[in-house]
Amino acid sequence: AQSVTQLDSQVPVFEEAPVELRCNYSSSVSVYLFWYVQYPNQGLQLLLKYLSGSTLVKGINGFEAEFNKSQTSFHLRKPSVHISDTAEYFCAVSSNSGGSNYKLTFGKGTLLTVNP
Amino acid sequence: DAGVIQSPRHEVTEMGQEVTLRCKPISGHNSLFWYRQTMMRGLELLIYFNNNVPIDDSGMPEDRFSAKMPNASFSTLKIQPSEPRDSAVYFCASMLGYTGELFFGEGSRLTVL
Repeated sequence: AQSVTQLDSQVPVFEEAPVELRCNYSSSVSVYLFWYVQYPNQGLQLLLKYLSGSTLVKGINGFEAEFNKSQTSFHLRKPSVHISDTAEYFCAVSSNSGGSNYKLTFGKGTLLTVNP
Repeated sequence: DAGVIQSPRHEVTEMGQEVTLRCKPISGHNSLFWYRQTMMRGLELLIYFNNNVPIDDSGMPEDRFSAKMPNASFSTLKIQPSEPRDSAVYFCASMLGYTGELFFGEGSRLTVL
């Protein structure tokens, strides 16, 4: 079984400042990792994913994340945020082995609020 | 291209009533998921279908919940009888193959009084 911990439930930042949203996971097997974003009253949409290869993953809207296997982390970063980045961000993990790779376990989410 | 379509968007009902939530996945996607989102428990996977067949229903809370997928373009999640603790946002999501990319609908917000 996997678990995900998002260390901050809320992160307030000013516009154009850099931001890092932290995610740690626990798993006894190799994993796939994801970040999803949820805007108010909408479903989640994929920001980026790590399946294999380069540990630095670039996603939409200028976000990137780095897979660190030794620290079991997958932190999300953006060098300069916009008001429109205000949303809830979810880290998710799934096993990459066997027949259970469909089963994403989501963290509790981090509410990013970008202030002018 | 239309995304995942869910109905109704909002449902308010009284305890004991039957609730049916509907989902139309993206055409061509062969995997369908039902999730429930609450403040207390976050996002929980209720059930997963692959090629219209239920593969994993271990997240269905109890016998009051049932889900069907009679064809590739339609799924329902039914709660009978409903209880106040079922109040949540229910999301349907679909995926093509295994890409890890879930496409979510906008959700059905259920309130049980």
